[in-house]
Amino acid sequence: AIRMTQSPSSLSASTGDRVTITCRASQGISSYLAWYQQKPGKAPKLLIYAASTLQSGVPSRFSGSGSGTDFTLTISCLQSEDFATYYCQQYYSYPPWTFGQGTKVEIK
Amino acid sequence: EVQLVESGGGLVQPGGSLRLSCAASGFTFSSYEMNWVRQAPGKGLEWVSYISSSGSTIYYADSVKGRFTISRDNAKNSLYLQMNSLRAEDTAVYYCARGDIVVLNYYFDYWGQGTLVTVSS
Repeated sequence: AIRMTQSPSSLSASTGDRVTITCRASQGISSYLAWYQQKPGKAPKLLIYAASTLQSGVPSRFSGSGSGTDFTLTISCLQSEDFATYYCQQYYSYPPWTFGQGTKVEIK
Repeated sequence: EVQLVESGGGLVQPGGSLRLSCAASGFTFSSYEMNWVRQAPGKGLEWVSYISSSGSTIYYADSVKGRFTISRDNAKNSLYLQMNSLRAEDTAVYYCARGDIVVLNYYFDYWGQGTLVTVSS
């Protein structure tokens, strides 16, 4: 199975900051990568697929980039509602679909 | 509006069984592949099982293979997960998630609110 590794595991940031989360795949996955946002006690929400395509309704301050093994999720101007945990997921080779361990974005 | 509503979770003893359900609405259920994804307390997301739109193709994670059975009833717009021989490590919130395919991109675009399964004596 393809292993997905995110960094950092957590970060502290302030409203208005630019935040970058990294996801690395154990082998090349082209651009077959999705990002999800999960708030406490809630279901995950799809933010981005195909590494950089914003899901309908997702604010433009979210962006994704990368291909092959290295990917990033960037929040250009952090808002209060963005404090959450973010997961990357590969769908290049499945089953199984595999997720990163998550990155928790906390308030500084 | 797409809605997925899970039910059937609860407390069960090790070795016991439980059947989860997921009621779908707001879309043509029979046209979509479906999945179960779980999240142990304080942990990350783990894909559990997949079923094709017709039910003809099924996959399981190695961790549940031989113990869990996924199924669906397209006439009732419902997805199921029969869980047998439950272990403490199966304790988690179980989400049903719709799979969508757009130009070779397969991702989980809608998720239910989850149902908690606790395996403990």
